[in-house]
Amino acid sequence: QSALTQPASVSGSPGQSITISCTGTSSDVGGYNYVSWYQQHPGKAPKVMIYEVTNRPSGISNRFSGSKSGNTASLTISGLQAEDEADYYCSSYTSSSTLVIFGGGTKVTVL
Amino acid sequence: QVQLQESGPGLVKPSETLSLTCTVSGGSISNYYWSWIRQPPGKGLEWIGNIYYNGGTYYNPSLKSRVTMSVDTSNNHLSLKLSSMTAADTAVYYCARVQVRAGRPNWFGPWGQGTLVTVSS
Repeated sequence: QSALTQPASVSGSPGQSITISCTGTSSDVGGYNYVSWYQQHPGKAPKVMIYEVTNRPSGISNRFSGSKSGNTASLTISGLQAEDEADYYCSSYTSSSTLVIFGGGTKVTVL
Repeated sequence: QVQLQESGPGLVKPSETLSLTCTVSGGSISNYYWSWIRQPPGKGLEWIGNIYYNGGTYYNPSLKSRVTMSVDTSNNHLSLKLSSMTAADTAVYYCARVQVRAGRPNWFGPWGQGTLVTVSS
């Protein structure tokens, strides 16, 4: 089972909006609403930002939003802030025997 | 709130078996699924497997032949054993609680801080 496909890097200026894509197949992203997104700062553990495609856990800023169209899920960060600079990973349930797959990660740079 | 803390040897020799423990505090292991996830230095995340509080397991097929997970509900501990270690197993190993819906792993949180395991002679 191949990893979900994410762009290696995305950048934006403070205050701008950026979108990170996560492309899979009908066996994972396209077939189920079990897509989640994780933020990881250097040397730290990942932290869930979005689950079930669009839901934010308690305490997560509403500047973070998720969506899905077909086999591609997206994470949008609006009003980009310096603290948003981090690596972001998507994850999905998959009907294959692998059960859980992650994307390769996207480095977000705030210019 | 629930907190997780991984512990174990930072250095393992090739061919040896890695043993890690995840201590769960601030809440009970019971009635939840738990995962082990690893991240090679500078690379992405790889799911190793899930364990339910009653001991039921599901492992990533790519690691299944080498992985054993267990749970100790009386001490709120999780354990991971990975045999026949090679340099390719060098990674930060995380434990995390799994949120499940309709019997399917949904998302992971909270996570432990992770522990770096290096495989070298």
